[in-house]
Amino acid sequence: SAVISQKPSRDICQRGTSLTIQCQVDSQVTMMFWYRQQPGQSLTLIATANQGSEATYESGFVIDKFPISRPNLTFSTLTVSNMSPEDSSIYLCSVDHRGSTDTQYFGPGTRLTVL
Amino acid sequence: KNQVEQSPQSLIILEGKNCTLQCNYTVSPFSNLRWYKQDTGRGPVSLTIMTFSENTKSNGRYTATLDADTKQSSLHITASQLSDSASYICVVTLSGGYNKLIFGAGTRLAVHP
Repeated sequence: SAVISQKPSRDICQRGTSLTIQCQVDSQVTMMFWYRQQPGQSLTLIATANQGSEATYESGFVIDKFPISRPNLTFSTLTVSNMSPEDSSIYLCSVDHRGSTDTQYFGPGTRLTVL
Repeated sequence: KNQVEQSPQSLIILEGKNCTLQCNYTVSPFSNLRWYKQDTGRGPVSLTIMTFSENTKSNGRYTATLDADTKQSSLHITASQLSDSASYICVVTLSGGYNKLIFGAGTRLAVHP
């Protein structure tokens, strides 16, 4: 299995500011993903964080709003830029851990509130 | 369109009782189906995973079934406990270059004493 930690676990931010969320995995993984979970909703994929290249964004999400870094095989960051109250969500990091039957693991999430 | 639909949206049961959650999907090409449990304020945790050829999979008091012909799955919880109160999410994986997940909206289960 893979153990995933995220920082911060929660934050309250002002409109117009940016927040960077960190995701650390205890083993090297090929694929890392960032999801958003809006209140009362299920998870929506934001992007795939690719090591050594730009992230691949899903429809409706753009790099200027959600820049992502993936400097190595165990770490990634997601920045939520120029925040508005509509960005209030839980942001989750997920990894595809090859070698295990159940390959998709999720981090504990970062609960973001934008005032 | 690839979709996963879950029912009921929410459910309240008494401690010790059994319950069954439903999942219907229209996802192709199909790789596998997972049930996740998500406690409030936490990330989802995998309960079961089933491939096309598997009909049932158990994990303690949780038993998942899969009918690939009708594209239906269920999650049965036996002898419910207060700690079972959570959202249960059905997730179908598209086969392909990487595991693209299609999420259901979840069933919110409340177990009352």
